[in-house]
Amino acid sequence: AQSVAQPEDQVNVAEGNPLTVKCTYSVSGNPYLFWYVQYPNRGLQFLLKYITGDNLVKGSYGFEAEFNKSQTSFHLKKPSALVSDSALYFCAVRGGGTDKLIFGTGTRLQVFP
Amino acid sequence: NAGVTQTPKFRILKIGQSMTLQCTQDMNHNYMYWYRQDPGMGLKLIYYSVGAGITDKGEVPNGYNVSRSTTEDFPLRLELAAPSQTSVYFCASSYSQGGEKLFFGSGTQLSVL
Repeated sequence: AQSVAQPEDQVNVAEGNPLTVKCTYSVSGNPYLFWYVQYPNRGLQFLLKYITGDNLVKGSYGFEAEFNKSQTSFHLKKPSALVSDSALYFCAVRGGGTDKLIFGTGTRLQVFP
Repeated sequence: NAGVTQTPKFRILKIGQSMTLQCTQDMNHNYMYWYRQDPGMGLKLIYYSVGAGITDKGEVPNGYNVSRSTTEDFPLRLELAAPSQTSVYFCASSYSQGGEKLFFGSGTQLSVL
């Protein structure tokens, strides 16, 4: 069965500092990996995805994520955090050959001025 | 282009009542999904559909039913509502599976009292 884990309920970072939101996964076969962001009282919005190829993928709003097959991780990163990045971030995985996209429990990112 | 539209936005039900959450998309997507979001639990897949006339169970299907008579619509039916079904419900769609991103509606906040 496929699964995804986000070990941190909340990440706090000062504006201007780099941020990392962690995600690990478990699937059969090659994974399709995604990051979504949710702002208050809104639906989820797509940030970026990894399908194949370069392990470092770039997405919206200056975010990027690094796929690490040996550690089965897909951590979200940004070199310089903004207060407006404060939101709930979800990692998701779909295993090869399945239709289901499974989400993690979410990590709340708080960026302080 | 409206994307994914959910109605209603808010609803309060009494225990034992039934209701249908509506979801429609205008992007001609084959795949549609229903998720519920509970605090600290992330998003859990309830049901999904890979095309008109085809539906399948997700992670937490008990107490719910779905139908997919058209490509555009994917209603979620709650029979005999229970307090455990108090949640925020999100409908989503995608063109296909694999590496395709999901487009989310703005959600329905349901309380069962």
